[in-house]
Amino acid sequence: AQSVTQLGSHVSVSEGALVLLRCNYSSSVPPYLFWYVQYPNQGLQLLLKYTSAATLVKGINGFEAEFKKSETSFHLTKPSAHMSDAAEYFCAVSEGSNFGNEKLTFGTGTRLTIIP
Amino acid sequence: DAGITQSPRHKVTETGTPVTLRCHQTENHRYMYWYRQDPGHGLRLIHYSYGVKDTDKGEVSDGYSVSRSKTEDFLLTLESATSSQTSVYFCATRTSGGAGNTGELFFGEGSRLTVL
Repeated sequence: AQSVTQLGSHVSVSEGALVLLRCNYSSSVPPYLFWYVQYPNQGLQLLLKYTSAATLVKGINGFEAEFKKSETSFHLTKPSAHMSDAAEYFCAVSEGSNFGNEKLTFGTGTRLTIIP
Repeated sequence: DAGITQSPRHKVTETGTPVTLRCHQTENHRYMYWYRQDPGHGLRLIHYSYGVKDTDKGEVSDGYSVSRSKTEDFLLTLESATSSQTSVYFCATRTSGGAGNTGELFFGEGSRLTVL
């Protein structure tokens, strides 16, 4: 069974500092991995996705993530935090590449706070 | 963005009453999902649909039923609401499998349900 662990339910960083949100996954087959962002009172929207092409994935708003198979990790980073990055971030895993009935399993989320 | 509309957006009801949440999509996506979001649990899959009249259970399906009579509509019903079903409910959709499909989910803006 697939699963995702997000380390740290709350992360605070100063404006302009590095953002690092951690995600480790467990999957019996090569996974597809996603990061979603949720702003207050909104649904989730896709930040970026890993689908077995390049291991370093660039997403929207300056975020990127690196797939490391040896560490079963897919950490999300941004070099310089902006106040608008304050939100909740979810890592998700999907097994298989056929995208038929595969389901996404989400982590418990990390709330990112930006300190002015 | 996929056109996904959830209704109602907010509802307060009493224990034991039936509740139906509606998800309407305009993108002709084959797959539709209902998730609930609770603090500390992230998003958990309730039920999903892989076509008209084709549905299956997710990880937290007890106390919920679904129906999909048309491609565009996916209904979630709580036959007899309980306080433990107080939550924010999200509908999501995904295109069908095949080349170029990377499994991205598109989310509605959520329905906040309070069961007193």
